[in-house]
Amino acid sequence: DAGVIQSPRHEVTEMGQEVTLRCKPISGHNSLFWYRQTMMRGLELLIYFNNNVPIDDSGMPEDRFSAKMPNASFSTLKIQPSEPRDSAVYFCASSLWGSSQGEQFFGPGTRLTVL
Amino acid sequence: DAKTTQPTSMDCAEGRAANLPCNHSTISGNEYVYWYRQIHSQGPQYIIHGLKNNETNEMASLIITEDRKSSTLILPHATLRDTAVYYCIVRALSPTGANSKLTFGKGITLSVRP
Repeated sequence: DAGVIQSPRHEVTEMGQEVTLRCKPISGHNSLFWYRQTMMRGLELLIYFNNNVPIDDSGMPEDRFSAKMPNASFSTLKIQPSEPRDSAVYFCASSLWGSSQGEQFFGPGTRLTVL
Repeated sequence: DAKTTQPTSMDCAEGRAANLPCNHSTISGNEYVYWYRQIHSQGPQYIIHGLKNNETNEMASLIITEDRKSSTLILPHATLRDTAVYYCIVRALSPTGANSKLTFGKGITLSVRP
C-alpha cells in the first residue's frame, strides 16, 4: 500500500495567489482529515470528512479556506487568496470509519510558504 | 483545552527503556488514551491506544493507572530512530464507530542519546 499521498510536497507562492493542496487517502479508508502544523500553534485539525461528507469544519480558519472531497480517493484543500500567515505544513490523514482502533494514517505533508 | 499534560522533554540512553508519562486527570469513562509520535519532518504515526487495561504491541507498551488519571508509554529498548515528539491524546470512540477528532497538544520531545 502506498499510504496517504499528498502533493505537492513543497509549495512556494506569493501573497494573494490561490493555492491547492491535494490528498489521496489509503484505498478503502472512508474518513479523511486535514491538519495544519506551525511552530506557534502546533498541530491543528482543520476539517474532516466521513464518506466524502464534511463532518466538522470548525477548525477552518476563515472563508479563504475551503476543502472538498469529490470522491473516496481524492480531496483538495484550497486557500484563496493566500497570506503569509498561512505558511505551515499541511497534513492529510485517513482512517477506516468503524475500525476498532480508529487509527489515523498521516501523509508526508505539504510545506507551504507564502511570501 | 488541553486534556493531557506531558513534560516538555526527556532523554534516555540508546538500548534502555524510555518511560514517557502523561496525566489525564479529567478523562471520561468512554475516552481512550492514544499515543502518536512525530519524527522530524514526517507526519504523525500511531503507536498504541488503550481504555483501562495495559496494552502491548510491537512498538511499545501502555500502562494505564487503575483510576485512569495517568498513563505511561514504554519503549522497551530505545534506539536513535525513536527520537521524536510523542503525543498523548484522550479521545472518545463513538459506539457507531464514527471517527472523532484527535486533538494534539505540545507533546514530549524524546531524545535518545548514543
